[in-house]
Amino acid sequence: RKEVEQDPGPFNVPEGATVAFNCTYSNSASQSFFWYRQDCRKEPKLLMSVYSSGNEDGRFTAQLNRASQYISLLIRDSKLSDSATYLCAVPSGGYNKLIFGAGTRLAVHP
Amino acid sequence: SQTIHQWPATLVQPVGSPLSLECTVEGTSNPNLYWYRQAAGRGLQLLFYSVGIGQISSEVPQNLSASRPQDRQFILSSKKLLLSDSGFYLCGGMKDSGSYGYTFGSGTRLTVV
Repeated sequence: RKEVEQDPGPFNVPEGATVAFNCTYSNSASQSFFWYRQDCRKEPKLLMSVYSSGNEDGRFTAQLNRASQYISLLIRDSKLSDSATYLCAVPSGGYNKLIFGAGTRLAVHP
Repeated sequence: SQTIHQWPATLVQPVGSPLSLECTVEGTSNPNLYWYRQAAGRGLQLLFYSVGIGQISSEVPQNLSASRPQDRQFILSSKKLLLSDSGFYLCGGMKDSGSYGYTFGSGTRLTVV
């Protein structure tokens, strides 16, 4: 099993829709989790951090399910500008190293 | 807040040529620094990390090396590039004290021909 796994998508949704992505992780000892957004040919940018059960920032909600070892990212009222690849990241092996999933691609259409 | 600078943005190099990519950090001291590579359509692979001057740890065997000659400088090198070294190279550092989130530089897109 990979350390971090994501459905590659693409998720094609209309504007205004609610969409959710999951990310599964293998290390049950992980305490913190991260969602990054990556636009085409750009660097990933930190979107949200999750340290306990969840986190909410405007239209974005990240939730953690420790029992099933996955984190989710929910986007409400999708905008065209939300189109991007969403990467999850989990610490692994100390020294604040992060292991990244391969990303889930979201395409929001009019 | 921390800012990471990378250059060049784009590089096309022939097979067998040397490589040097530089990453510098502003706004923080003694950061943990990381080199990642992203192949086309793939996730980020951790190549090297450094917790201080002269301290380098390699995550995967490869044709590349890294150095940290100064606190805020992290260099990725190769003596002879291979076609498989092509990719998007990203330098990352801790976003802020106490947080595990990284800030990334804008990356270098390397094509080996």
